[in-house]
Amino acid sequence: AQRVTQPEKLLSVFKGAPVELKCNYSYSGSPELFWYVQYSRQRLQLLLRHISRESIKGFTADLNKGETSFHLKKPFAQEEDSAMYYCALLDNYGQNFVFGPGTRLSVLP
Amino acid sequence: GAGVSQSPRYKVAKRGQDVALRCDPISGHVSLFWYQQALGQGPEFLTYFQNEAQLDKSGLPSDRFFAERPEGSVSTLKIQRTQQEDSAVYLCASSVERGNTEAFFGQGTRLTVV
Repeated sequence: AQRVTQPEKLLSVFKGAPVELKCNYSYSGSPELFWYVQYSRQRLQLLLRHISRESIKGFTADLNKGETSFHLKKPFAQEEDSAMYYCALLDNYGQNFVFGPGTRLSVLP
Repeated sequence: GAGVSQSPRYKVAKRGQDVALRCDPISGHVSLFWYQQALGQGPEFLTYFQNEAQLDKSGLPSDRFFAERPEGSVSTLKIQRTQQEDSAVYLCASSVERGNTEAFFGQGTRLTVV
């Protein structure tokens, strides 16, 4: 069964500190992994996808197939990074995004 | 703007009432998804359309839920005989094509069943 887990409901860090949002998945095929972000009063939007191997707003995420993880990292958190972050996978048919429960990141001044 | 538009933004329904939620995807987007997001949870998949074809409806929680996209653009999610457990935010998303492409989300419709 397809499943995405995010063990932390809330993560608080101070501005300038490193941040890591954990994501693990279970999927029998080769999934495409994404991170979506929802800032306050805004719609859900794509942050990054593993296949692009890009850094967006200083965030990176590496797919580790051995550990079935796709953790999101940023070396120096900013207050504007405060938001809900959802890890998601897209199945092989491209028909179904499976989302994790989300982690609320709070960056303190 | 040219983003995904959902209406209404908020809907209060009495238990047992039927509701219809509308989604206007980005023009030209082939794929359309509906999700249900309960309070404090991540979005949960309901159904997927490729153009007018409903290719996956495995996430619809009961036969009270029905979705359509008759002309391959606007989609409607209908919930019959609403129950309190149907209270949630209903999100619509569209993408250019099937596969690993970005899904653009609407603002959602918050449904409250009283």
